Amino acid sequence: DTAVSQTPKYLVTQMGNDKSIKCEQNLGHDTMYWYKQDSKKFLKIMFSYNNKELIINETVPNRFSPKSPDKAHLNLHINSLELGDSAVYFCASSQDLRTIKQFFGPGTRLTVL
Amino acid sequence: EDQVTQSPEALRLQEGESSSLNCSYTVSGLRGLFWYRQDPGKGPEFLFTLYSAGEEKEKERLKATLTKKESFLHITAPKPEDSATYLCAVQHSETSGSRLTFGEGTQLTVNP
Repeated sequence: DTAVSQTPKYLVTQMGNDKSIKCEQNLGHDTMYWYKQDSKKFLKIMFSYNNKELIINETVPNRFSPKSPDKAHLNLHINSLELGDSAVYFCASSQDLRTIKQFFGPGTRLTVL
Repeated sequence: EDQVTQSPEALRLQEGESSSLNCSYTVSGLRGLFWYRQDPGKGPEFLFTLYSAGEEKEKERLKATLTKKESFLHITAPKPEDSATYLCAVQHSETSGSRLTFGEGTQLTVNP
């Protein structure tokens, strides 16, 4: 019944590794997002996709690459992880680009050692 | 650039003690202002959307209001289960992709 789900919930890894976070929504929405929440609880948009097409790409290092195999999934792949990448990453979705109400997933806490 | 500032950063209330949270915003062309609730270890949960100055919305003990420069989230007779971080966000009218700009949140603790 979970509307927006993410896996894994926790991810602990060493600097320099490559990791992926998966997101799925079962709401039938067209638009999906990735947000980063830092230690101060500040949520910031990273990417948005609409029908598998990249719409927003904020100033995010090239090491971050979103991939949308279909409109229900938006995965986040991170190369060469750095200490500063430690944060909670949230996936969200909305009906479409014009619908501004967004539904958030439970978050993935990434810790880079 | 859109800016959202929330105050106070943290607020402690006794059960039944009403108060208000503030969200000041700067955005050229407001499409919508949002309030979300976030519990520890969980994603933000949608509470309200306000679209224009003068608009008010209510849900149980919460009431959100909007002016041209700020929004208030009034909490009437709060209960311990209202303890959470409350996030305010705005969306620019010309922003593509429904980008939300968030404030840093107000952490509310309601003591029994």
